[in-house]
Amino acid sequence: AQTVTQSQPEMSVQEAETVTLSCTYDTSENNYYLFWYKQPPSRQMILVIRQEAYKQQNATENRFSVNFQKAAKSFSLKISDSQLGDTAMYFCAFTPWTGKLIFGQGTTLQVKP
Amino acid sequence: EADIYQTPRYLVIGTGKKITLECSQTMGHDKMYWYQQDPGMELHLIHYSYGVNSTEKGDLSSESTVSRIRTEHFPLTLESARPSHTSQYLCASSTLNEQFFGPGTRLTVL
Repeated sequence: AQTVTQSQPEMSVQEAETVTLSCTYDTSENNYYLFWYKQPPSRQMILVIRQEAYKQQNATENRFSVNFQKAAKSFSLKISDSQLGDTAMYFCAFTPWTGKLIFGQGTTLQVKP
Repeated sequence: EADIYQTPRYLVIGTGKKITLECSQTMGHDKMYWYQQDPGMELHLIHYSYGVNSTEKGDLSSESTVSRIRTEHFPLTLESARPSHTSQYLCASSTLNEQFFGPGTRLTVL
């Protein structure tokens, strides 16, 4: 079975500091995509960052970067220079190129002023 | 502008009523999905469609039904709403490598 695990239900970080959210997954597929989605309170779910499994280079999007360890099946998200607007629930997700996503349980991140 | 829309955004309804949650996308995506999400909790896939006249049940059993008569439209129907159906329902559509989400419908059944 393909699963995604986020072991940190809640995290907090001071504004301007760096925080890392953890995610592990289990699959027998060799080619797949990994994602981090952000769901702000009462707002729409949006894509933060995407990683193709065949790419060794870690994806980056401005203050957001990932540490993708394919052999370890680990996919953590690092948020640098945290901002109050980063407060949200973050979901790690996986798809074996079918479009259908498998989500983790989510991590609620609180950025404190 | 290409987007995905859900109506209504909020719905409070009595037990036993029939309801339809609307979802439309203007991105031309073949693949569409419905998720159920309780506040602060994970998403559960309840239905998906890979194209017109194609619908499948998701990982979480649901008493709702869906239809896909047009590419852009993927409505979800509850024939007889119950308090256990109270939740947020998220619609999404996707390319091969990204899902786009609607704003959600927050349903409360009294």
